[in-house]
Amino acid sequence: SAVISQKPSRDICQRGTSLTIQCQVDSQVTMMFWYRQQPGQSLTLIATANQGSEATYESGFVIDKFPISRPNLTFSTLTVSNMSPEDSSIYLCSVDVSGGTYNEQFFGPGTRLTVL
Amino acid sequence: GQNIDQPTEMTATEGAIVQINCTYQTSGFNGLFWYQQHAGEAPTFLSYNVLDGLEEKGRFSSFLSRSKGYSYLLLKELQMKDSASYLCAVMDSNYQLIWGAGTKLIIKP
Repeated sequence: SAVISQKPSRDICQRGTSLTIQCQVDSQVTMMFWYRQQPGQSLTLIATANQGSEATYESGFVIDKFPISRPNLTFSTLTVSNMSPEDSSIYLCSVDVSGGTYNEQFFGPGTRLTVL
Repeated sequence: GQNIDQPTEMTATEGAIVQINCTYQTSGFNGLFWYQQHAGEAPTFLSYNVLDGLEEKGRFSSFLSRSKGYSYLLLKELQMKDSASYLCAVMDSNYQLIWGAGTKLIIKP
């Protein structure tokens, strides 16, 4: 298993500002994932962060808007830049843990972001 | 495109049984997951199916038919704490998880 913490748990931000979300895992993992979940919506993968290389972004997400750092095997940050109200969402960090026949995803508690 | 369909919301009675269906169309298939998500909390793993058939785990069971692109999650002896959203997710040929929008389950006494 994996225990994941995120900071901040929630924030209210002004349009045009940026917020950096931190994700800490209690064990070393190769890949960390950043998701966005809007109310009543499915989880949408923003990017996959590997230690020592550039993050891989999904369609519709770009590095200038969502820069990611992965300085070591237990930590990552996601920055939401130049925020607009459309960025209001829950941002979740997750990791894969091998369970033998499959990899189970463990999620952090999420960061609830409101942009005014 | 890739698509996961689940009912938006279901209501059931405490002590009863409920079945939550999930149909999928994905580029390849490397397994199907069910996650539970209580309001305001992170999703937590419930089950994994990669072969056809039923997997039972206590009060929860999950079924898969790959030929039909279909799965269901069966919850027995419902308890009030089972009120949550249930997310279906399929791992595609690139080992990427494709998530459904989730089914909000409301349990009434």
